Amino acid sequence: AQKVTQAQTEISVVEKEDVTLDCVYETRDTTYYLFWYKQPPSGELVFLIRRNSFDEQNEISGRYSWNFQKSTSSFNFTITASQVVDSAVYFCALSDPGEGGADGLTFGKGTHLIIQP
Amino acid sequence: KAGVTQTPRYLIKTRGQQVTLSCSPISGHRSVSWYQQTPGQGLQFLFEYFSETQRNKGNFPGRFSGRQFSNSRSEMNVSTLELGDSALYLCASSLTPSDRGATEAFFGQGTRLTVV
Repeated sequence: AQKVTQAQTEISVVEKEDVTLDCVYETRDTTYYLFWYKQPPSGELVFLIRRNSFDEQNEISGRYSWNFQKSTSSFNFTITASQVVDSAVYFCALSDPGEGGADGLTFGKGTHLIIQP
Repeated sequence: KAGVTQTPRYLIKTRGQQVTLSCSPISGHRSVSWYQQTPGQGLQFLFEYFSETQRNKGNFPGRFSGRQFSNSRSEMNVSTLELGDSALYLCASSLTPSDRGATEAFFGQGTRLTVV
């Protein structure tokens, strides 16, 4: 069965610091998809990125970057020069269509990121 | 382009009652998934619908059910409500179902259900 672990329950940093959110996943399949979502206080989950298991290229989007390493089953997310507006709960998720049909997204428990001014 | 719309946003029900939540997906999206979010269990998959058919279901009792209409709008129903059903219920829409390779899922703001 698939599993996603976000070991950091809460992280608090001062604005402009860089911060990395960790995500470790487990799956037996070779084809799978990884996601990051942001959940602000308003409640909706905001899509940030999708990665498939065959694409290990790191990605950068503005202040956001993602490091995907299959060797360690990790898909970490870094925010550079953090801002107060980055404060939210961040979820890492896994979709594994190979295991008898995907059961939607499997989410980690989330990391509550607090950016202090 | 309108996002995913969930109604109502907030709901208070009494134990033993039943409730129906509604979700209108993004125009053109035919896949709708439902998730339950609680502080203790986190985000858990309830079920997914595509073209009016349930594709898969998470590990929830039969009191939780859903359906999808021809216009892709979806409803979920919870019968005989229990205190533990208090949660944020999130709906997500996507172009294709998750067992065809996961495209991005776009979420609504959720329905906050409180059972008293």
